[in-house]
Amino acid sequence: GESVGLHLPTLSVQEGDNSIINCAYSNSASDYFIWYKQESGKGPQFIIDIRSNMDKRQGQRVTVLLNKTVKHLSLQIAATQPGDSAVYFCAERGYGQNFVFGPGTRLSVLP
Amino acid sequence: DTEVTQTPKHLVMGMTNKKSLKCEQHMGHRAMYWYKQKAKKPPELMFVYSYEKLSINESVPSRFSPECPNSSLLNLHLHALQPEDSALYLCASSQVVAGTNTGELFFGEGSRLTVL
Repeated sequence: GESVGLHLPTLSVQEGDNSIINCAYSNSASDYFIWYKQESGKGPQFIIDIRSNMDKRQGQRVTVLLNKTVKHLSLQIAATQPGDSAVYFCAERGYGQNFVFGPGTRLSVLP
Repeated sequence: DTEVTQTPKHLVMGMTNKKSLKCEQHMGHRAMYWYKQKAKKPPELMFVYSYEKLSINESVPSRFSPECPNSSLLNLHLHALQPEDSALYLCASSQVVAGTNTGELFFGEGSRLTVL
């Protein structure tokens, strides 16, 4: 299930289940969106991106959905594995062509 | 393995010290960035360099001084920091196409700074 901690929302899923991580973005003029994965003690790592002229993009085990009407982005991870445990950030590119990051969601994969 | 290299990985400094963080990339990217990340928070943009020129300073205090000596290197000079400046400092780079910073940000592993 999903819970909101003091600072970082956490999503707990069973290994093998699908995960859905959501993100609300702020700028309706943003034209490019990226999902990043950040493991403990490491820098953010690119997972998948999507441009504003698309509403869905698939990668290996990951799918990003973009709903511009409600300014919502989601990341779906199929068959979640222990190695998927990390904090996930969405990032939008808007004003000034620079990226603004969402608050992040911690994904915890249960054995 | 990241293609953006940051040194040092860890730094402890007193409030009167002067130190520097270094970042290097060899991907031919002409935009380089400094981000600050506090625990359990997203990265926050500090500075952007485009073609070795400072293009964005997000109202960062002058005790942080960036420098871009060439297209592959980015430094962050630190002086008279406060304990609340303790954080993970991330360097990133991206391509520049048609004058705009485009494409994904490639991040380094970060320099964890502790100010005593």
